[in-house]
Amino acid sequence: DTEVTQTPKHLVMGMTNKKSLKCEQHMGHRAMYWYKQKAKKPPELMFVYSYEKLSINESVPSRFSPECPNSSLLNLHLHALQPEDSALYLCASSQGAGGFYEQYFGPGTRLTVT
Amino acid sequence: GQQLNQSPQSMFIQEGEDVSMNCTSSSIFNTWLWYKQDPGEGPVLLIALYKAGELTSNGRLTAQFGITRKDSFLNISASIPSDVGIYFCAGQLGIQGAQKLVFGQGTRLTINP
Repeated sequence: DTEVTQTPKHLVMGMTNKKSLKCEQHMGHRAMYWYKQKAKKPPELMFVYSYEKLSINESVPSRFSPECPNSSLLNLHLHALQPEDSALYLCASSQGAGGFYEQYFGPGTRLTVT
Repeated sequence: GQQLNQSPQSMFIQEGEDVSMNCTSSSIFNTWLWYKQDPGEGPVLLIALYKAGELTSNGRLTAQFGITRKDSFLNISASIPSDVGIYFCAGQLGIQGAQKLVFGQGTRLTINP
């Protein structure tokens, strides 16, 4: 089983709202990732968590706040977003982060900021 | 930073035809991955390549890791309608004790029945 689940599937939020995206995997993977994907573009890395610790932050604005409560869960907290933040947000996981492992993606959350 | 040049950007073919796409880079990658993405869905891993020169098949799909570690190609034989979608190559780097994927711009495949 190589399933990564994400909720919600779709999210519409105003610029003053606070919302959270959730990601879960039960493959025993120890690395988890957040990507942002705009229409007709490839995914862009935002954050990497390795063994529940933040390893990489690709200079993402502070209105995006990641959290890894345990090795199976990854959250992305959203606050005071801008319309240009509207995109498909993808979560991924891999067995580890120190070597070279396959990354498996979830179905994504389609976020619209109004 | 690292960039991948993926070509072609789009392909319009007849059902049953073979398809070939490739990615090149000025940088060396340790791993090459090929993904397929359907509209509104996440990328699905098709093939992973770990060794320079490696040739790997997955059903009608065949991919190779270039000997210089700077390129990779993906072939699809006897295309069928469900092959429609966007195909991404991705090179993998180890950075700061973690992995980072660098994606190509994608190849959009359209099949005429």
